[in-house]
Formats: sequence, structure tokens, C-alpha cells
Amino acid sequence: AQSVTQLDSQVPVFEEAPVELRCNYSSSVSVYLFWYVQYPNQGLQLLLKYLSGSTLVKGINGFEAEFNKSQTSFHLRKPSVHISDTAEYFCAVSLLNKLVFGAGTILRVKS
Amino acid sequence: EAGVTQFPSHSVIEKGQTVTLRCDPISGHDNLYWYRRVMGKEIKFLLHFVKESKQDESGMPNNRFLAERTGGTYSTLKVQPAELEDSGVYFCASSQGGRAGLQETQYFGPGTRLLVL
Repeated sequence: AQSVTQLDSQVPVFEEAPVELRCNYSSSVSVYLFWYVQYPNQGLQLLLKYLSGSTLVKGINGFEAEFNKSQTSFHLRKPSVHISDTAEYFCAVSLLNKLVFGAGTILRVKS
Repeated sequence: EAGVTQFPSHSVIEKGQTVTLRCDPISGHDNLYWYRRVMGKEIKFLLHFVKESKQDESGMPNNRFLAERTGGTYSTLKVQPAELEDSGVYFCASSQGGRAGLQETQYFGPGTRLLVL
């Protein structure tokens, strides 16, 4: 069965510092991987997705993620965060007709 | 273009009452999904419609939950009777449908926050 593990429940970071949010998945088949973000009082918004091809995927708001098949990871990175990046981030893998989500990582950006 | 909308945004009911959640997908999207997040845990799949047909309802917790999508447009999710453990955030998502399949982006609504007292 496919599953997703987000290794950190909360990540505090100072403004303009780099950040990495970690995601590992387990799957016995080819995967499609997604990162979604939920800003306070809003719905989930797609940040980026990996379908095939280049393992480095660029998304919105300066985020990028790298697909690593050997380590079954899909970590999300941003070289310099802003206060407005404070949100909860979800890693997900597609399974048949649905998404399987990790537990989420709350990114708290401090000034 | 309007996104996925959900109504109500919040609902507080007592145990044993009935609640109906509504989702309006993006116009033209054949696929409609319901997900739930309980008590800060993972967001979990409930069911999937293709047009008006239930494609997969394997995530529905029990028979107190009933989902419908009459006419293949909006969908409702009814909980009757509600129990304490039904509290959580119910998300609806839609995708266009067609050959893209698993690669399709699912567009999420803002969710309905349900609290059962």
C-alpha cells in the first residue's frame, strides 16, 4: 500500500532563511507526487507536482522539490522564506483515483 | 473562473443531529472527490464521483454517511446521525477527467469545519 510520511510536524524558521520540508513515500509502483499548501482559513492549493522527467520540479512562490527514487523522497525546498509562507504543507501521492496525504508540516516563519 | 466552493464553511451540531455539506466543483469537471481531516491527522479520502456515478466509496467510514451527486454537478454529503468522532474538516476537490487520470491536478475547496458536540 502507498503511504506518505512527513518527517516534521512543525518547522520554525526565520524570515529569509532557507527551508526544507521532508517527505518520504512508499510505493511499489510508479508514483505521481504532489505538494499542496494550506494558508490560514483557505483551501488546499497545489504548489507543484512530479509526474515524470526531470527530478527537480519548480512550483509557485519560489518553491521547488526534488524527486529521489532511490531514497523514495520528495523534499520541498525554498532558498529564502517570507512571513507569507507561514502555512501548512502537505505531501501527497496518487493512488488509483485518489490522493494519499502525509500528516502535514506547519511552517512557521518568524521575523 | 470560479473555484471549488463548499457550504457551509462551519457547522456546529449536537450528537444525533443531521448535517448536509454541499460542494460545487469547477464547472465542467467530471471528477469530484470528498476528503476528511479529523483532529489534525492526515487528510483521508472518502469517495470519488465520475459525473453522477460513485467510482470509489471505499473511504466512507460507515453507513451514517451518504453522498450524492445528482445530475453530475454539485454534490452533497449527509451525516445522519452525527457522532462526536465525525468532527473535522471536510474537503471537496474536483478534476477535469479524461485521459490524464492520476496525473490530473485536483482542485480543492476551502473545506467545511464540522464540530459535533
